[in-house]
Amino acid sequence: DVKVTQSSRYLVKRTGEKVFLECVQDMDHENMFWYRQDPGLGLRLIYFSYDVKMKEKGDIPEGYSVSREKKERFSLILESASTNQTSMYLCASSPGQGGANTEAFFGQGTRLTVV
Amino acid sequence: AQTVTQSQPEMSVQEAETVTLSCTYDTSENNYYLFWYKQPPSRQMILVIRQEAYKQQNATENRFSVNFQKAAKSFSLKISDSQLGDTAMYFCAYTDGGATNKLIFGTGTLLAVQP
Repeated sequence: DVKVTQSSRYLVKRTGEKVFLECVQDMDHENMFWYRQDPGLGLRLIYFSYDVKMKEKGDIPEGYSVSREKKERFSLILESASTNQTSMYLCASSPGQGGANTEAFFGQGTRLTVV
Repeated sequence: AQTVTQSQPEMSVQEAETVTLSCTYDTSENNYYLFWYKQPPSRQMILVIRQEAYKQQNATENRFSVNFQKAAKSFSLKISDSQLGDTAMYFCAYTDGGATNKLIFGTGTLLAVQP
């Protein structure tokens, strides 16, 4: 089975801290994604990566950056955490071939609270 | 830009009854893929059903089926014989199946199955 693992299930950080959210997948997927989930807003794409060291902005990249140094790991970085970044963060991965292999697999989510 | 709209924030159904969740999308692509994902209280996102736009036949998976209307850009999910375990947030999602498989989500429908 595909496994996408996020480093923390719950996280509490202080305003202004630099925060790292880590995500690891074990299926050699090319694509990895970071979403933010808020009530009434669904899942909004922050950043995605289709290859090592490659990244593209999603719909809400402001205040975030990402790193993908290895194929299996995709990190989301909050440079200076703010209270409006309190949210649920979901990582996902998918194969890069397109076509029928378009299913995305998700981690269990990290609920981040910034105080 | 592609968009996905779910107009029902919350729905309720009695156990053993049938319920239909609505989803509309907007795209200029001819070939794409649509999904329904389920997110139970455990937060783990699970794929429920997938539909390829080039297939005219509606997808079915046990008690779950879709009504795919390509011209109307509509993709509804029907759950038959609803069970208590179907209680979850349901998200409709779209991808054009390109190399990056960027997945766009709707805002979700919270389904409560009542005993």
